[in-house]
Amino acid sequence: DTEVTQTPKHLVMGMTNKKSLKCEQHMGHRAMYWYKQKAKKPPELMFVYSYEKLSINESVPSRFSPECPNSSLLNLHLHALQPEDSALYLCATMTAQESNTEAFFGQGTRLTVV
Amino acid sequence: SQQGEEDPQALSIQEGENATMNCSYKTSINNLQWYRQNSGRGLVHLILIRSNEREKHSGRLRVTLDTSKKSSSLLITASRAADTASYFCATGHDYKLSFGAGTTVTVRA
Repeated sequence: DTEVTQTPKHLVMGMTNKKSLKCEQHMGHRAMYWYKQKAKKPPELMFVYSYEKLSINESVPSRFSPECPNSSLLNLHLHALQPEDSALYLCATMTAQESNTEAFFGQGTRLTVV
Repeated sequence: SQQGEEDPQALSIQEGENATMNCSYKTSINNLQWYRQNSGRGLVHLILIRSNEREKHSGRLRVTLDTSKKSSSLLITASRAADTASYFCATGHDYKLSFGAGTTVTVRA
C-alpha cells in the first residue's frame, strides 16, 4: 500500500471555526510532512514530524496546530484562520527524515476560508 | 522555503516533441528529485538523482545534474497529452525537502 490518504478533499470554513485536516499512511514511514500550496506556486514546507515528534516548524502561525497521534496519522488543527490561509494543504511521507529519499504525497485538502 | 528557480516558467509543445526544463538550486544537496503535479492535486515522484551522479534515465525521462553549477535538467522525450502538468524539482537539505518554482508544461494534441 503506497497511498497517503487525506481527508477531507475540500473544506470551507469560517474565520471563527475550528476544523482539522487528516492524513493517514500505512507504509511504515516515520517522517510525515505538511505543505501549503497557493495557486501557481510551489509547495511550502510547514511542519515535519520524525518518529511522531515535531522536528521542524517553519515559523508557522499558531492558528495552525499539528499533531501526530501515532505513526500512521497526522493531523493539522485549524483555528481562527484568515482568508489568505486558503490554499491546497498537502501531506507527504518519507521512509525517514534523514533518508532523503522520495516523498509520497496525498491528494491534498483544498481549503477555503470565508 | 523555495529552493531555487526553474525555467522556463511555462512550456507549450506539440505531441511527440521533447520538453526540457531546468532547475537551479542554492545549497549543497544530498540528492535532487523531480515531481509532477496534475491540476493542483498531489505531487507524484518521477525520478531521484544523487549528488554523485551526473545523469539518470527512467523510461522517457532523462535527468542531468551539474553540482558545480548547482543545476539540473529534466528532459521528457516523445511527449504525450498526458504529460500536461506542472513539474517541480526538489532538493533535500537539512532534512527538509524544498521545491523549486515549477514549470507548467502543456502538450498540444
